[in-house]
Amino acid sequence: KNQVEQSPQSLIILEGKNCTLQCNYTVSPFSNLRWYKQDTGRGPVSLTIMTFSENTKSNGRYTATLDADTKQSSLHITASQLSDSASYICVVSGDGGSQGNLIFGKGTKLSVKP
Amino acid sequence: DTGVSQNPRHKITKRGQNVTFRCDPISEHNRLYWYRQTLGQGPEFLTYFQNEAQLEKSRLLSDRFSAERPKGSFSTLEIQRTEQGDSAMYLCASSLGQIEAFFGQGTRLTVV
Repeated sequence: KNQVEQSPQSLIILEGKNCTLQCNYTVSPFSNLRWYKQDTGRGPVSLTIMTFSENTKSNGRYTATLDADTKQSSLHITASQLSDSASYICVVSGDGGSQGNLIFGKGTKLSVKP
Repeated sequence: DTGVSQNPRHKITKRGQNVTFRCDPISEHNRLYWYRQTLGQGPEFLTYFQNEAQLEKSRLLSDRFSAERPKGSFSTLEIQRTEQGDSAMYLCASSLGQIEAFFGQGTRLTVV
């Protein structure tokens, strides 16, 4: 069964600290993996999209890694800011799979405190 | 074109009433997706279209739910005889093939 599991479910950190969010997936065949940021009451906004051949991709203070062999991805946030408080959703796209080929994780809720 | 647009942003309705939501995707995006999201959960797939064809429907899409994309552009999602359990955020997304999906801001439905 195609699944995307994220951990931790929630995380509280102090402003300025770094953190890492995890995503494990069993989607096969694999096409790409995306990380979205979703502010409360808003639609998800794309942070990165990674294909099979990419190991690392950065977007400002966000760095995503992908290990296609172990089917794991991480999202590292550097020097966190209060505005980073949001849910971070990992989405895996499979080739020829169901659900429109987009399998969603349940997200990690990040709270950045002053 | 400023992205995926959803209307209305908020809808409060009485139980048993019908509601309809609209989604305008990014121009020339051939795929359009509908999701439902409840508090603290990730988006749950409801259905998706490729052009005007509805290619897949989730089991979550009961017979009270219907979605259309008549001309392969905008889409509507109708819920008939609403129930309190239908209260959720309804998200629409569009993409060009399997390239990155862009989401709208969602329609927050509250059934009282």
